Amino acid sequence: GDSVTQMEGPVTLSEEAFLTINCTYTATGYPSLFWYVQYPGEGLQLLLKATKADDKGSNKGFEATYRKETTSFHLEKGSVQVSDSAVYFCALSRLDNDMRFGAGTRLTVKP
Amino acid sequence: NAGVMQNPRHLVRRRGQEARLRCSPMKGHSHVYWYRQLPEEGLKFMVYLQKENIIDESGMPKERFSAEFPKEGPSILRIQQVVRGDSAAYFCASSPGTVSNQPQHFGDGTRLSIL
Repeated sequence: GDSVTQMEGPVTLSEEAFLTINCTYTATGYPSLFWYVQYPGEGLQLLLKATKADDKGSNKGFEATYRKETTSFHLEKGSVQVSDSAVYFCALSRLDNDMRFGAGTRLTVKP
Repeated sequence: NAGVMQNPRHLVRRRGQEARLRCSPMKGHSHVYWYRQLPEEGLKFMVYLQKENIIDESGMPKERFSAEFPKEGPSILRIQQVVRGDSAAYFCASSPGTVSNQPQHFGDGTRLSIL
């Protein structure tokens, strides 16, 4: 069945470091792909999305490109801040509006 | 702000009691999803509902758990005869349902603690 696999955490970086969180997917058809962020004590917030191959989603300095040939949607940010510390979830959405989430990657950014 | 509203934010129950978690979807959304998140773990899908219909309950335990989304009012996730292992954060999400591949919008969750 459809699924999402993302790199295990936790990831610890220093402020201004480059961030990559890997995400690969398995799906039939052409799903939409998403990154969500969860801050402590809160629900998931949509960070960015891409709906078709080669689309690039971007928001708040984060980017991810929908790569059909490698079935990937890696999250990147050029310079992380302490306020980016959170758990990041990769997800795919299917035609029936159901979604599948990765296990989440905890990011800690130290000053 | 007409986001997804969940209540209560925190719920404490003793073993054997019933827990009722409520979710009001975003305005205009007709699809509701429930997830469970254990501490330091990811989201586990439980159930997907449309108004008055359960679409997919493959992630929900067969016993003690039930969900509904009536024609009027919020969606309810009901856990009967709670046990310690039910302690978790329960998140509700909603989507429009009118267009495919739409993102889900999440509430802030209900943190259930079983004494």
